[in-house]
Amino acid sequence: GAVVSQHPSRVICKSGTSVKIECRSLDFQATTMFWYRQFPKKSLMLMATSNEGSKATYEQGVEKDKFLINHASLTLSTLTVTSAHPEDSSFYICSARWGGLVQDTEAFFGQGTRLTVV
Amino acid sequence: SQQGEEDPQALSIQEGENATMNCSYKTSINNLQWYRQNSGRGLVHLILIRSNEREKHSGRLRVTLDTSKKSSSLLITASRAADTASYFCTSGGSNYKLTFGKGTLLTVNP
Repeated sequence: GAVVSQHPSRVICKSGTSVKIECRSLDFQATTMFWYRQFPKKSLMLMATSNEGSKATYEQGVEKDKFLINHASLTLSTLTVTSAHPEDSSFYICSARWGGLVQDTEAFFGQGTRLTVV
Repeated sequence: SQQGEEDPQALSIQEGENATMNCSYKTSINNLQWYRQNSGRGLVHLILIRSNEREKHSGRLRVTLDTSKKSSSLLITASRAADTASYFCTSGGSNYKLTFGKGTLLTVNP
């Protein structure tokens, strides 16, 4: 199956700093990628849809100035957590689907990034 | 998409036993998908069943879909310790996004 690579897998940062997470589709072009956040023992919360060459679409309640998403190429989307605080500590996961905005295909997920803000 | 509601929330079985978990959804769907998540990892797609299908198999996995009851079940036969993971269902409707519920945490004891 297709591969989506996410980096880094773990990051610890100081409060107030920014952290960038990369998500790459290694063997297919992903015009659309999705970013999720997961709290311990909770479901994945869809944060935003990342669109290549245009602005991301954020879900209700997600601060777009806090979570900056850039999708500069067909294989790379980045999520930057700006001015991170301890409450931003979480597990962040990206995913991509064949063909982008389609309904009838599976999604491929990155390995996830464990962010800890101290 | 719409997130499914998985049931039970947690399931503990012995290796070799079968594991059954259920998923319910609320509105009409084009397809329903099951995913697995190992602890601290991303999700892995297991199987997709379309709305005009009633049953689908993939190795030790068997998925059923009952659109009249808006429910699906995932059966894992002859479970192994490596099957220990959280299992999620999600359905494709008129939206391309995939959203997820809390999942079923399956523990297979050796």
